[in-house]
Amino acid sequence: AQTVTQSQPEMSVQEAETVTLSCTYDTSESDYYLFWYKQPPSRQMILVIRQEAYKQQNATENRFSVNFQKAAKSFSLKISDSQLGDAAMYFCAYRSPYSGAGSYQLTFGKGTKLSVIP
Amino acid sequence: NAGVTQTPKFRVLKTGQSMTLLCAQDMNHEYMYWYRQDPGMGLRLIHYSVGEGTTAKGEVPDGYNVSRLKKQNFLLGLESAAPSQTSVYFCASSYGMTLRGSYNEQFFGPGTRLTVL
Repeated sequence: AQTVTQSQPEMSVQEAETVTLSCTYDTSESDYYLFWYKQPPSRQMILVIRQEAYKQQNATENRFSVNFQKAAKSFSLKISDSQLGDAAMYFCAYRSPYSGAGSYQLTFGKGTKLSVIP
Repeated sequence: NAGVTQTPKFRVLKTGQSMTLLCAQDMNHEYMYWYRQDPGMGLRLIHYSVGEGTTAKGEVPDGYNVSRLKKQNFLLGLESAAPSQTSVYFCASSYGMTLRGSYNEQFFGPGTRLTVL
């Protein structure tokens, strides 16, 4: 079974600065999908960015980018020009391309709580 | 488009009571999921469904039952609630089998906070 590890339970960043959240995963599959979700105090799960393993180019969405290191099984999230609205829990998630029953289930890490200091 | 909705948003139960959480999606998605979120644990899959009339167990299915009688609805039932089932419950949905390169991302509902006393 796949596992996802987020080694930083909490992090903080100054407004306008850059912060990187770490995520590592364990898998024997060669093709898979990785996601970062944001969960603000409202509790809503919001997809931030996604990456498919066979694509070598790192995904970018505005101020959010990833550093995908397939050999190291690492998928870190970089937030540039941090804003107060970025304060939230961030979850890294893994999905197999096919998981037997075809469930497409997500395996989540335990999350990193990000605080943004004005 | 309402996306994924969950009813109710909050609920307090006494040990032994039963209840049903309702999830509805209007995106014509084939797959639906129920997760629970506990402090420090991330989200864990309870049950899922790959189509109308089908359900399967996830990582933590004990104490829960589900039904998918209509494509747009996925119900999560607790027959005899226990304090260990105090949690936030999320429903999600996604498209079914797709070609390589399709992320088939999951869309989440707003969650239901359940407290069992």
